[in-house]
Amino acid sequence: DAGVTQSPTHLIKTRGQHVTLRCSPISGHKSVSWYQQVLGQGPQFIFQYYEKEERGRGNFPDRFSARQFPNYSSELNVNALLLGDSALYLCASSSDPEWQPQHFGDGTRLSIL
Amino acid sequence: GEDVEQSLFLSVREGDSSVINCTYTDSSSTYLYWYKQEPGAGLQLLTYIFSNMDMKQDQRLTVLLNKKDKHLSLRIADTQTGDSAIYFCAEKKGANAGKSTFGDGTTLTVKP
Repeated sequence: DAGVTQSPTHLIKTRGQHVTLRCSPISGHKSVSWYQQVLGQGPQFIFQYYEKEERGRGNFPDRFSARQFPNYSSELNVNALLLGDSALYLCASSSDPEWQPQHFGDGTRLSIL
Repeated sequence: GEDVEQSLFLSVREGDSSVINCTYTDSSSTYLYWYKQEPGAGLQLLTYIFSNMDMKQDQRLTVLLNKKDKHLSLRIADTQTGDSAIYFCAEKKGANAGKSTFGDGTTLTVKP
């Protein structure tokens, strides 16, 4: 079975631009969460969606937004990119956000020039 | 992560046991996880323990949980060079479903 898939794997943008990252959860998983991992640190929680509704939001500015589609895939959007947005963006899915562990994709490496 | 702390580095010899430690602050955590991250890759779930358990063993991995001290450890028996990676401890609170709080990771180096 396919794991969590994310696209693209790498992306280079310049300051002020907009970016959309995509995630397909494991088949049957209805919960998707997004994390930002800056080099040398652990992942920081950005958003969680379950059954297409936002269930949690981390301490990130309004430039960050996300949505979940009827097939449970998800997009993370970041507007007005800053140099500090350079990071590995990880998507995780689970079948039940409260009782089941999250499984992570390999991430999208975003570099801002 | 400010709520989860880990030592940054650990070096062991191949064949020895590795013990990676983690402390957390929130006593309402329901699940505690160990993830492994290899260079250029995402996080691989290794094992997890529910907060009402003291120990969990899975092949070469043993997780010990001391709820009183809010201390979690991961023991890797017979450590191999392929175990070299960054190991993350994470906690999840059932009331805040879908959010896990991570430590900053322990880099394990296994020397032949």
